[in-house]
Amino acid sequence: DIQMTQSPSTLSASVGDRVTITCRASQSISSWLAWYQQKPGKAPKLLIYKASSLESGVPSRFSGSGSGTEFTLTISSLQPDDFATYYCQQYNSYWRTFGQGTKVEIK
Amino acid sequence: QVQLVQSGAEVKKPGASVKVSCKASGYTFTSYDINWVRQATGQGLEWMGWMNPNSGNTGYAQKFQGRVTMTRNTSISTAYMELSSLRSEDTAVYYCARGASGSYWGQGTLVTVSS
Repeated sequence: DIQMTQSPSTLSASVGDRVTITCRASQSISSWLAWYQQKPGKAPKLLIYKASSLESGVPSRFSGSGSGTEFTLTISSLQPDDFATYYCQQYNSYWRTFGQGTKVEIK
Repeated sequence: QVQLVQSGAEVKKPGASVKVSCKASGYTFTSYDINWVRQATGQGLEWMGWMNPNSGNTGYAQKFQGRVTMTRNTSISTAYMELSSLRSEDTAVYYCARGASGSYWGQGTLVTVSS
């Protein structure tokens, strides 16, 4: 199975900060990577698909980049609504896997 | 609008089975895979498997092989996930999600396994 490793596990940041989360795959997944945002008690919400494509309705402060084994999610200017947990997921193969998550906390 | 509506919370005893449903609306049910994901309290997301509603083909995470079965009823646009031989560690919220990149999710179904 393809392993996905996210870093950091927790990130403390302030409103207006630029935030970057990294996701590494144990083998190449081309661009078959999605990023999700999850808030407590809610289902995950798709932010980015195919590594860099912004899901409809998602604010443009979110962006994704990377291919192969290394990927990043960037929030250009953190907003109060962005404090949440973020997950990457590979869907290169039929056996899909998630990263362990990154919790973005208020500094 | 696209919706995935899941069945309600369940309480099961260890060793029992649970079957969670996921009713799709607002799109052609057979056009997108359905994935199942679970999340134990305070833990991360865990992918369980996928099903192609058109063909009925499935793929399960190795961890759940032999215990999980994913099926569908195309006449009512509903997918099902059945997990057997339940143990306390299976207590979690179970989600269905549409497509490989999870563009739409159900609201989640809490399954509690307790004696």
